[in-house]
Amino acid sequence: QKEVEQNSGPLSVPEGAIASLNCTYSDRVSQSFFWYRQYSGKSPELIMSIYSNGDKEDGRFTAQLNKASQYVSLLIRDSQPSDSATYLCAVRPGTYKYIFGTGTRLKVLA
Amino acid sequence: DAGVIQSPRHEVTEMGQEVTLRCKPISGHNSLFWYRQTMMRGLELLIYFNNNVPIDDSGMPEDRFSAKMPNASFSTLKIQPSEPRDSAVYFCASSLRSDAYNEQFFGPGTRLTVL
Repeated sequence: QKEVEQNSGPLSVPEGAIASLNCTYSDRVSQSFFWYRQYSGKSPELIMSIYSNGDKEDGRFTAQLNKASQYVSLLIRDSQPSDSATYLCAVRPGTYKYIFGTGTRLKVLA
Repeated sequence: DAGVIQSPRHEVTEMGQEVTLRCKPISGHNSLFWYRQTMMRGLELLIYFNNNVPIDDSGMPEDRFSAKMPNASFSTLKIQPSEPRDSAVYFCASSLRSDAYNEQFFGPGTRLTVL
């Protein structure tokens, strides 16, 4: 079993819809969770971090964490074509190490 | 404030040549990471430095790869000799601290092509 799993997609949503991106992880002691956005040919860019169970909102983005189910998700409201990118989930089981998923490719259709 | 700086942005070399990739972390950050990204394997951690000291190099693929951090503002990743399978995008990232709640910031990457 991979340590961090994401559906590779592509996930296609119409403009203005809610995009829901999901990530599961295997290490129960994981403490912190991150979502990165990566445009084609660019570097990963941090969007959200979440450390506690529940929801964390930042503008159009909401991160959701459920440690009991080992599940973290990212919701993007009012999706725009500019949101089309690959979204990487990253988990920190301990201190320094980040474990990245392989990413979900999102396509927002105009 | 400048982000993580990497050079060169693109490198094309021939098999067997030495390649050196460079990174300047964000000022004040004490943790530095080198990653490799390929379509097949995604983002892989190669090596992690904390306060200029290599802490975890378990991701370095083989002895052809080496990394140094002579001071807090500079790190190199060297491949000698290079092979076509080393072709990938190499990212450097830094974070302010090494604890679990610290966010990591990536440089623009170096796209390496080994012919």
